[in-house]
Amino acid sequence: NAGVTQTPKFRVLKTGQSMTLLCAQDMNHEYMYWYRQDPGMGLRLIHYSVGEGTTAKGEVPDGYNVSRLKKQNFLLGLESAAPSQTSVYFCASSDGPPGQYFGPGTRLTVT
Amino acid sequence: AQSVAQPEDQVNVAEGNPLTVKCTYSVSGNPYLFWYVQYPNRGLQFLLKYITGDNLVKGSYGFEAEFNKSQTSFHLKKPSALVSDSALYFCAVRPGYSSASKIIFGSGTRLSIRP
Repeated sequence: NAGVTQTPKFRVLKTGQSMTLLCAQDMNHEYMYWYRQDPGMGLRLIHYSVGEGTTAKGEVPDGYNVSRLKKQNFLLGLESAAPSQTSVYFCASSDGPPGQYFGPGTRLTVT
Repeated sequence: AQSVAQPEDQVNVAEGNPLTVKCTYSVSGNPYLFWYVQYPNRGLQFLLKYITGDNLVKGSYGFEAEFNKSQTSFHLKKPSALVSDSALYFCAVRPGYSSASKIIFGSGTRLSIRP
């Protein structure tokens, strides 16, 4: 039981490049989330999903897109990366409120 | 506006002494409250939660937290700190009426335990 895993762990992008972050969970959770963590700001919710085939916007969704084609996977896409998207990205899943299980994070740098 | 406040960016404690990491909240309804810990280059790990019932909640690694409704606080405590407790701690709250998406995180408190 691996819990929540994220791929890749680190990435450096140039402004304007695109990339996809993959989150996978093996706990059969319905809910999945993408957060970004910036110094002094805690975690901010980007997008979330309440089940396979569903997605919804969180607190800071601009510049990101997501897809949940399979229950166990939640993808976060950056179509045209900007330096303001330099951050650490965390995926989380849960089997319903409350409480979440977090992945190890992806450190993204946009130059 | 609904919010969570961790008023201290950093807390320094000597090993063996008791520690407290403060958290206050402002949300509607009866909240669900959480504490998470983050070690360097790792994801957040769940420590404990308050949903209902006894105001004193016990969690992992000897931590506990006390829900105080009148003061809208949920301070994290440990009777005797260990050097290995040094990490970043996040308080989080979910308004009782809201969906799973509405979890609000505090800005974090860095706990440093000196030998």
